[in-house]
Amino acid sequence: GNSVTQMEGPVTLSEEAFLTINCTYTATGYPSLFWYVQYPGEGLQLLLKATKADDKGSNKGFEATYRKETTSFHLEKGSVQVSDSAVYFCALLNRDDKIIFGKGTRLHILP
Amino acid sequence: EAQVTQNPRYLITVTGKKLTVTCSQNMNHEYMSWYRQDPGLGLRQIYYSMNVEVTDKGDVPEGYKVSRKEKRNFPLILESPSPNQTSLYFCASSLVPPQGHVLTFGAGSRLTVL
Repeated sequence: GNSVTQMEGPVTLSEEAFLTINCTYTATGYPSLFWYVQYPGEGLQLLLKATKADDKGSNKGFEATYRKETTSFHLEKGSVQVSDSAVYFCALLNRDDKIIFGKGTRLHILP
Repeated sequence: EAQVTQNPRYLITVTGKKLTVTCSQNMNHEYMSWYRQDPGLGLRQIYYSMNVEVTDKGDVPEGYKVSRKEKRNFPLILESPSPNQTSLYFCASSLVPPQGHVLTFGAGSRLTVL
């Protein structure tokens, strides 16, 4: 079946460090891929998305590239800030138009 | 402002006392959905609706009911809440795929059942 696997947290980094949060997926066909972010006390909001292989989604300094050959959509940022502390969810939209979320990765950024 | 509004944001209740969590969106979205978020389990879909009068079960529908009498509203009903329904609940909406598939989420409703 369709599934999303992302690295377990929490991930703790110092400010200005490089961030990678791994995400891999299992799906038939070519799903659309998303990263959502949940700031403390808020609902999820879309961070970035990619709809086909080799697409790169980017927003707020974050990037993720749709890698069909490795079925991955890893989230990266070159220099994190304290304000990036949040929970990050990887998700896919499958061929049945169902959105499937990973379990989320909590990120702590230390000043 | 385009948004999804949930109420109440916080609720403490007792086992067996019926409750309703309301959800309303002002974006004319056809698709609406309810999720629960639990530690270590991420987001799990409870029910969803593709349009008015059309609802379907998600992954964890047991103990919940929904209705979609109007396009903007999608209430979640717990007829007889139990402690295992203590959770953080999110309502979300979007345009119907393939025109839209980006979800807009409400701020969440934290429910405690004693």
